[in-house]
Amino acid sequence: EIVLTQSPATLSLSPGERATLSCRASQTARSYLAWYQQKPGQAPRLLIYDTSNRATGIPARFSGSGSGTDFTLTISSLEPEDFAVYYCQQRSAWPLTFGGGTKVEI
Amino acid sequence: EVQLVESGGGLVQPGGSLRLSCAASGFTFSNYQMNWVRQAPGKGLEWVSYIDESSYKIQYADSVKGRFTVSRDNARNSLYLQMNSLRVEDTAVYYCARRHDGTLHQFQHWGQGTLVTVSS
Repeated sequence: EIVLTQSPATLSLSPGERATLSCRASQTARSYLAWYQQKPGQAPRLLIYDTSNRATGIPARFSGSGSGTDFTLTISSLEPEDFAVYYCQQRSAWPLTFGGGTKVEI
Repeated sequence: EVQLVESGGGLVQPGGSLRLSCAASGFTFSNYQMNWVRQAPGKGLEWVSYIDESSYKIQYADSVKGRFTVSRDNARNSLYLQMNSLRVEDTAVYYCARRHDGTLHQFQHWGQGTLVTVSS
């Protein structure tokens, strides 16, 4: 099983600042990594698929990079609606796995 | 518009059974693989099960293998999860999810979730 470790667990930032979230895989996830955003009481929302592709309707301030075992989600300038929990997920091998999440708080 | 609507959650005793359903609309259901993903209260996301378009390929998380069975009825545009021998640790919101068109096994569309509570 590919274990995904996200860091930091919590990121405290202000609107307008840049957010950098990390996801590290225990073995190669190739380029098959996605990022989701989740707000309280809501289903997750796909932001990025296959490392760097923005999903439908996702603003350009969200970007993804990396390959193999190290991946990054960057939010270039935080908007008030971006404060949420973010999860990474790999599809390189069964079982599909998610990281433990990073909470971006004000 | 793609819609996924789960139902069937509720309170069940340890060792009991429950069947979840997911009604799909707004797309050609028979053309898409489907998944179940769950989230325990206050915890992260856990993938549970996968079924391909024709029910030929099925996958389960180790935590539910042998206890849960995924199925689908393409004529009814519906996905199911039969959950047997339920444990307290199965308590979670269960989501059905459909992939993004540009990839596999990464989920663009989610239902609102249905809560399963396993408790005596």
